[in-house]
Amino acid sequence: GENVEQHPSTLSVQEGDSAVIKCTYSDSASNYFPWYKQELGKRPQLIIDIRSNVGEKKDQRIAVTLNKTAKHFSLHITETQPEDSAVYFCAAGLINQGGKLIFGQGTELSVKP
Amino acid sequence: GAVVSQHPSWVICKSGTSVKIECRSLDFQATTMFWYRQFPKQSLMLMATSNEGSKATYEQGVEKDKFLINHASLTLSTLTVTSAHPEDSSFYICSARNHEAFFGQGTRLTVV
Repeated sequence: GENVEQHPSTLSVQEGDSAVIKCTYSDSASNYFPWYKQELGKRPQLIIDIRSNVGEKKDQRIAVTLNKTAKHFSLHITETQPEDSAVYFCAAGLINQGGKLIFGQGTELSVKP
Repeated sequence: GAVVSQHPSWVICKSGTSVKIECRSLDFQATTMFWYRQFPKQSLMLMATSNEGSKATYEQGVEKDKFLINHASLTLSTLTVTSAHPEDSSFYICSARNHEAFFGQGTRLTVV
């Protein structure tokens, strides 16, 4: 089955700096890679996703890159703000499996003012 | 946007009792829903796939007789934790997919 590895487990940056979180996956059949932000005690919220037919996607300060050959994908947050502090999860799955996702271990991002 | 509602948001129960958690898709039909468990400071672990009108599919290591899943309609899946024990204490989250996977607000189960 699919296995997703995520690094780093914790990340501390100064406000305004960039943050990068990396994930690798094992199942080459996976074709959907979402990123979620989870605040303490809350549900995960989708922040960006990418499909395997695309190499990069950007939404304002957030971007995701995908390298299918190497089976890894990354989240890039630029101009970080204190409200970006949360736990971020990457996930991998198949679009036609209706949302079945395997999650990475999570990265606790702390943005210091 | 699509909303998934989960109830209750928290529950405390005695060891040996059963607890039912409901997951509803409020504005779309979901033939498939997913149940995850999340321990403190850990990731979401997929427990099972809930299939409307048929048996759930459980992930390896998840006891189907302990975690009963019923998906009787296109908008409702239930997870029943039977004979709960303290080690079952966790955050349980469901999801359903419309154009993206939407998560319920989660249920924090504490077994005392």
